[in-house]
Amino acid sequence: GAVVSQHPSRVICKSGTSVKIECRSLDFQATTMFWYRQFPKQSLMLMATSNEGSKATYEQGVEKDKFLINHASLTLSTLTVTSAHPEDSSFYICSASTSGGLKNIQYFGAGTRLSVL
Amino acid sequence: QKEVEQNSGPLSVPEGAIASLNCTYSDRGSQSFFWYRQYSGKSPELIMFIYSNGDKEDGRFTAQLNKASQYVSLLIRDSQPSDSATYLCAVGQDGGYQKVTFGTGTKLQVIP
Repeated sequence: GAVVSQHPSRVICKSGTSVKIECRSLDFQATTMFWYRQFPKQSLMLMATSNEGSKATYEQGVEKDKFLINHASLTLSTLTVTSAHPEDSSFYICSASTSGGLKNIQYFGAGTRLSVL
Repeated sequence: QKEVEQNSGPLSVPEGAIASLNCTYSDRGSQSFFWYRQYSGKSPELIMFIYSNGDKEDGRFTAQLNKASQYVSLLIRDSQPSDSATYLCAVGQDGGYQKVTFGTGTKLQVIP
């Protein structure tokens, strides 16, 4: 149980294009999903927290107009990197958590490696 | 600001030995504690969680929590080369608020 699917696993795109990343909880309802970014040899950096049906809460320094998050259902959240630039190249990881059962456990997707040329 | 501190390592142990990973946290209101393992280039995977003071064992892994000292540790018995990874400590608060704070991780190297 507690499987989180994230797609695509890798994206290579040209500068200026937008990239959408999907995060799905396959066998549980995720009341909360989290989006992280991780640069090489650095720790996880939380970008935003999203709850189903409401606006995402962004961490300080994260541009909400550049990183659009939609959490339309209890099993799906999407992150869109708009007008991507080379400095946005990173490893983006989602996680999902449920209000029921065990407290605060986050289950991670496999991550998306974004390379912007 | 809530902080979670870990020694970045690398922590090198010989195969078969016990690896001891430590984590301290600043928020006394913390109620949930997690250890994640992250292989290079991969996403984190949950190893252990603990909510109460004391020890919790799962196979070769033992999580130890001391809320008075604001300290949580992970012991890995009979360490294997496949245990070589970065171990992330994460701490959360209660009340249904599901955001957790991650430490920067400790890199473990198990030497064959």
